[in-house]
Amino acid sequence: DTEVTQTPKHLVMGMTNKKSLKCEQHMGHRAMYWYKQKAKKPPELMFVYSYEKLSINESVPSRFSPECPNSSLLNLHLHALQPEDSALYLCASSQGETSGGGDTQYFGPGTRLTVL
Amino acid sequence: GQNIDQPTEMTATEGAIVQINCTYQTSGFNGLFWYQQHAGEAPTFLSYNVLDGLEEKGRFSSFLSRSKGYSYLLLKELQMKDSASYLCAVMAPMTTDSWGKLQFGAGTQVVVTP
Repeated sequence: DTEVTQTPKHLVMGMTNKKSLKCEQHMGHRAMYWYKQKAKKPPELMFVYSYEKLSINESVPSRFSPECPNSSLLNLHLHALQPEDSALYLCASSQGETSGGGDTQYFGPGTRLTVL
Repeated sequence: GQNIDQPTEMTATEGAIVQINCTYQTSGFNGLFWYQQHAGEAPTFLSYNVLDGLEEKGRFSSFLSRSKGYSYLLLKELQMKDSASYLCAVMAPMTTDSWGKLQFGAGTQVVVTP
């Protein structure tokens, strides 16, 4: 089973709203990731959590706030977003350690976010 | 940093073979991944290469030459459902501040025609 789930599938919010994106995996993976993807562009890494600790923040604006409540869950809290933040937000997970097969990242279906 | 190049678009007919090339320039390397992404959907894992040579998985094969900074993805017996974007991605070395960093190329849109 390589399933990563994300909710909601679609989200429309105003610039003054506060909302959260949720991601869940039950593969026992110890690394989880947030990516942002604009149309016809590749995914861009935002945050990496390793063993429930934030290990990489790719200089993401503070209006995006990640949280990892436990090893299966990853949240992305959104506040005071701008219209240019509209994108597909992808969550991914991986085993968290290298093996003969590499530390493959498995992606969830994404949340399509529109900021008005 | 990493510089990853792949063609923007390729067109091929059903049943044919298509080869998608990817070149990379990097200060470190810990493997190369290929993902398939249909429009509006998540990337799905296709293959991983860390040693030189060819890895075959059914209709898909991937090749790596580390000395040349070059990989290709070979799609055989093309089907209409193979129309998608194919992303080449390089994994950064496993250091404290780069662990888990997967940098993607811009993607190659493959269009399969009847």
